[in-house]
Amino acid sequence: AQSVTQPDIHITVSEGASLELRCNYSYGATPYLFWYVQSPGQGLQLLLKYFSGDTLVQGIKGFEAEFKRSQSSFNLRKPSVHWSDAAEYFCAASYGNKLVFGAGTILRVKS
Amino acid sequence: NAGVTQTPKFQVLKTGQSMTLQCAQDMNHEYMSWYRQDPGMGLRLIHYSVGAGITDQGEVPNGYNVSRSTTEDFPLRLLSAAPSQTSVYFCASSYVAGPGELFFGEGSRLTVL
Repeated sequence: AQSVTQPDIHITVSEGASLELRCNYSYGATPYLFWYVQSPGQGLQLLLKYFSGDTLVQGIKGFEAEFKRSQSSFNLRKPSVHWSDAAEYFCAASYGNKLVFGAGTILRVKS
Repeated sequence: NAGVTQTPKFQVLKTGQSMTLQCAQDMNHEYMSWYRQDPGMGLRLIHYSVGAGITDQGEVPNGYNVSRSTTEDFPLRLLSAAPSQTSVYFCASSYVAGPGELFFGEGSRLTVL
């Protein structure tokens, strides 16, 4: 079955430090890939997406993600984290008509 | 700009009761879907629809029914609520027939006692 794995349940970084959130999708034809962010009590907001082409994609709020076919990965990065980035982040992959989400990574930012 | 609107935002049910979660979008999106969110499990797809009159099952469809009589509306029905259905439910829609960028509602928190 198609699946998306986010190996880190929680990550804590200091404000101003760099961030990388990991995501792996199940092997097969390259799906469309997404990163969403969810603030407490809110719905999900799209950060960025990868359909094809350049493997480094830029998103909103200074985030970027790199698609690596050989590793079936789509890791999210940010060079300098702000306290307002504290939230839960979800990686997702579309397989046909279904969008499959990972379990999420909760980001905590310490000042 | 209403986007995706879900009602109610909060609901408490007793085991065995039925209810309908409403979802409406005003963006003329063909694709609509329902997810449930549980701690540590991310979002799991319940049902989805690629257009009016067309629905299909997702990962966790048991206990839920849907219909899509119009492009705008995609209600989710719980026929006989169970405690295992306590969750936060999200409706999401997308312009394309398959899930491109999903636009999410704010969620409906359901508690089944």
